[in-house]
Amino acid sequence: GAGVSQTPSNKVTEKGKYVELRCDPISGHTALYWYRQSLGQGPEFLIYFQGTGAADDSGLPNDRFFAVRPEGSVSTLKIQRTERGDSAVYLCASSSPVAGGGNIQYFGAGTRLSVL
Amino acid sequence: GDSVTQMEGPVTLSEEAFLTINCTYTATGYPSLFWYVQYPGEGLQLLLKATKADDKGSNKGFEATYRKETTSFHLEKGSVQVSDSAVYFCALSDHVTGGGNKLTFGTGTQLKVEL
Repeated sequence: GAGVSQTPSNKVTEKGKYVELRCDPISGHTALYWYRQSLGQGPEFLIYFQGTGAADDSGLPNDRFFAVRPEGSVSTLKIQRTERGDSAVYLCASSSPVAGGGNIQYFGAGTRLSVL
Repeated sequence: GDSVTQMEGPVTLSEEAFLTINCTYTATGYPSLFWYVQYPGEGLQLLLKATKADDKGSNKGFEATYRKETTSFHLEKGSVQVSDSAVYFCALSDHVTGGGNKLTFGTGTQLKVEL
């Protein structure tokens, strides 16, 4: 079916506010990743889900960032008390794990977050 | 930790010119290597990959060879087209037992192809 869907495509918020970014992965993909891409940089890993559980959250920058995937499909990235430095494009990717690695991650178009 | 270094852009070429974008990596294990491409206004797409040393990935006339001895994965194309104008990202994923295959990206190289 469809590819990875991310909503909203753009989000403008004020410093200190709370935001939620949604990712709808490719149907049947058990692995889901969040990345953050700042202007002029490559994407940086934030968190990885295998099914419903966060298997690796080592990339989350601090405790203002949190993500959930309650039913093993849609995921929500939540940012509390947003700061101007959080402004970036937040990318979601999903994949079907392959033994031995080399699995292909399929990316959504991203959510551009602007914190004023 | 893992890291990827790729040549800075922008790279500007004339149509039908030869393209090389250099990429070197540092990894603790034996990673898989990828080139992703981002066309203007679009999301990241996988261009090609290689999962072990000496493998050659190829797609759409692009190719890259996994060189373990030089820890490199340079992207090449013999004759570029205007439609190849995009930002190209080199990336690696290390194989973590029980974990995922998170990607570590380079900073990206913008390619502009002119008539």
